[in-house]
Amino acid sequence: QKEVEQNSGPLSVPEGAIASLNCTYSDRGSQSFFWYRQYSGKSPELIMSIYSNGDKEDGRFTAQLNKASQYVSLLIRDSQPSDSATYLCAVNEGAGTALIFGKGTTLSVSS
Amino acid sequence: EAGVVQSPRYKIIEKKQPVAFWCNPISGHNTLYWYLQNLGQGPELLIRYENEEAVDDSQLPKDRFSAERLKGVDSTLKIQPAELGDSAVYLCASSLDWGAQYFGPGTRLTVL
Repeated sequence: QKEVEQNSGPLSVPEGAIASLNCTYSDRGSQSFFWYRQYSGKSPELIMSIYSNGDKEDGRFTAQLNKASQYVSLLIRDSQPSDSATYLCAVNEGAGTALIFGKGTTLSVSS
Repeated sequence: EAGVVQSPRYKIIEKKQPVAFWCNPISGHNTLYWYLQNLGQGPELLIRYENEEAVDDSQLPKDRFSAERLKGVDSTLKIQPAELGDSAVYLCASSLDWGAQYFGPGTRLTVL
């Protein structure tokens, strides 16, 4: 059974702080890794994708991947109240397979 | 560029009634996915299409669920008959080949 594990939270951070979200996955064959943001009552919105070990930065977001440890993380710098949402980690084996999602981590940013 | 379009956005039906959901993917995206999302859970794949072909339907409850993607563009997901446990959000997503998947707004189904 392929699994993606996330701490459900809630993770609470003050405005302007760094939020760190973590995800582990069970399938060593996983090739592609994604972070989706989901506001309450809305559908998942893709915010980051990462395919190789290391860091990938996009604005205030940084995704980190460590395939040896089967670990993916998302850092949100200068957190804003508008970042308050559930963050879903998703992985797949690349071509020919569907995304396996974690249950999501709820982030709350207080002003 | 228009995103993934789904309709209806909300549907309330009595159990044992049929229901259908429609999805129009992002233009040019050849791969289409139907996911089911229960409250507090991540989306779970029901079926995946490459163009017109259903290439992964292993998680689709075939006794009551059916799907089609005629002409490799729009897709319809049907439940007949609906059960109480089918209440969930049904999400459609699309991607270009095996790239990142983009989700539509979803259809929230309530079965009474």
